[in-house]
Amino acid sequence: KQEVTQIPAALSVPEGENLVLNCSFTDSAIYNLQWFRQDPGKGLTSLLLIQSSQREQTSGRLNASLDKSSGRSTLYIAASQPGDSATYLCAVRNVSNDYKLSFGAGTTVTVRA
Amino acid sequence: DAGVTQSPTHLIKTRGQQVTLRCSPKSGHDTVSWYQQALGQGPQFIFQYYEEEERQRGNFPDRFSGHQFPNYSSELNVNALLLGDSALYLCASSPGPNYGYTFGSGTRLTVV
Repeated sequence: KQEVTQIPAALSVPEGENLVLNCSFTDSAIYNLQWFRQDPGKGLTSLLLIQSSQREQTSGRLNASLDKSSGRSTLYIAASQPGDSATYLCAVRNVSNDYKLSFGAGTTVTVRA
Repeated sequence: DAGVTQSPTHLIKTRGQQVTLRCSPKSGHDTVSWYQQALGQGPQFIFQYYEEEERQRGNFPDRFSGHQFPNYSSELNVNALLLGDSALYLCASSPGPNYGYTFGSGTRLTVV
């Protein structure tokens, strides 16, 4: 059974600092990994999707890396802004005939102005 | 281009009642999944529908059932509601197996 862990559960940084969010998973036989953002009481917004054959994906200030062999992914957010305050979730999809996403509990980020 | 739309946004039900939640997938998406998210936790997979059939199911009791219509929209039904069913219910859609999932804003269900 795939277990996804996100540490820390929460962090607070001053505006302008770079953010580093960690995600680890127990089963390296993944199909892809997706990072999401969730604002309080809202749905999930997809940030980045990394296929198992890829090492990283970039979108604007966001960069996500994937190391399947060690069961880890890292989401980097450059030059953080107060608007980046939210909960960030990573989700793993296992081999191609398993369609569900296994989620971590998320990291809640507060960017202080 | 509308994304994934869910209705209603919020609802309150009494223990033992039944509820139906609705989801319209993003245009061009044919696969719909449902997730339950308790407060402070990550979403848990309930089931996925494709071509009007349940393709995969998570560890949820038979009180949770669903349906997909020919236009790809979907319903989630929960019977005999328990207090523990109070959660945010999220619908996600995808255009195919090689793509990521797009989520809706969710339905907040409170059981009293």
